[in-house]
Order: sequence, then C-alpha cells, then structure tokens
Amino acid sequence: RKEVEQDPGPFNVPEGATVAFNCTYSNSASQSFFWYRQDCRKEPKLLMSVYSSGNEDGRFTAQLNRASQYISLLIRDSKLSDSATYLCVVSSSGNTPLVFGKGTRLSVIA
Amino acid sequence: SAVISQKPSRDICQRGTSLTIQCQVDSQVTMMFWYRQQPGQSLTLIATANQGSEATYESGFVIDKFPISRPNLTFSTLTVSNMSPEDSSIYLCSAGGSGLGSGNTIYFGEGSWLTVV
Repeated sequence: RKEVEQDPGPFNVPEGATVAFNCTYSNSASQSFFWYRQDCRKEPKLLMSVYSSGNEDGRFTAQLNRASQYISLLIRDSKLSDSATYLCVVSSSGNTPLVFGKGTRLSVIA
Repeated sequence: SAVISQKPSRDICQRGTSLTIQCQVDSQVTMMFWYRQQPGQSLTLIATANQGSEATYESGFVIDKFPISRPNLTFSTLTVSNMSPEDSSIYLCSAGGSGLGSGNTIYFGEGSWLTVV
C-alpha cells in the first residue's frame, strides 16, 4: 500500500463548479498534512496546511479525519486559474521529509 | 516563506557525464531535501542533506550515484553521476525547519530539468 493515495483524476469541471479531492495516508504516526499545488512544468507550491479542526482559505476548505486517515480538499466556485495538479502531502514529524501523493489533475473549463 | 534558487534551471546532458545542481536558500535552514520527479510521476525523495554530516539517502538512491554536499545552512549541491536516459527528470531542492518559521512546511526551488541524451 502506498503511503499517500489520491483520487486518480483527472477532474474536468466547468467554471463555478464545486470539486472535492480525497486522500488517504497509511502512516498513523503522521502529524502534519498539506495540500500543494503544482502547475505544469513548475515546482510544487504550498496551497494550505490541514488542521484537525478543518480550515478554510477563501474558496478552499481542507478537512482531516485522523481516525480514518483521510484528508480532503474542497474548491468552491472553480476558476480557470485553479487548473493544476493538487498534491496531498504528509509528514510524521518536524524533522522528517514530506511524503507526496501522486497528485490529482484538475481542469476547469469555460 | 523562503526564496530558493536552483541552477541550472535546465540542461541537456550527454550519457555518461555528470552534472551538479546548486541550491541556495535566502535564509539559514535546518533541513534541506532533494527530490526527483520523473515524467508523469509524483515527487520521490532522494536524500536529506544534513549540514556538517553525510546525507541520508532513501531506498533506491546511493551516494555514488547522487553525491550531495551541504557545507553550510544556506547551500547544498546534488550531483547526478554517470547519467543515463533514465535520469531524465526534474530535480527539486527544498528547504524547511527552523529558519522558515512555519512548522513542517517546506518550500521548493524552481527545479532543474535534466534531459539525458
């Protein structure tokens, strides 16, 4: 079983749609959780951290379920500029490297 | 956040040669990592670059193939040795830990795109 598994995608959605991505992780000792965004032929960039209580940043909402070892990302009112690959990322502690999922490709179409 | 500069940004290399990628961070950081992202794949950790000691390599990666230096808290290099076409990939430097403020977050350089012919 892979350490971090994501919806395979691709997701093709119209502008204005709401889309949700799911991610599961296998290491129950994981302590830190993130969503990164990667545009085509660019480096990954931090989108948001994920906290146990859930957190929201504008149109983006992240949720964490430790019992199920499950992370989600919800994007509301999708924009064309949201088209990218979204990477689910976990880490077991502050000094250990991040483990990346394979990513989910999102295409928002006009 | 940190500014992480990598060079070269891209290169086309001959089979059998070696290339050294440099990574410079604009602040002192405890942790630096080197990742590889092959076409269509996710990021795979090559090694953790430890300041003042040998790098820690992940399974499948060895020092002879990917020697790493970390002479100080702002700089690291990765060498891809004796390259073959299978080494064609994006190589990403990343940094995290104290010096960057926000917990476990790491930041990436813009990547070095290597094509081996």
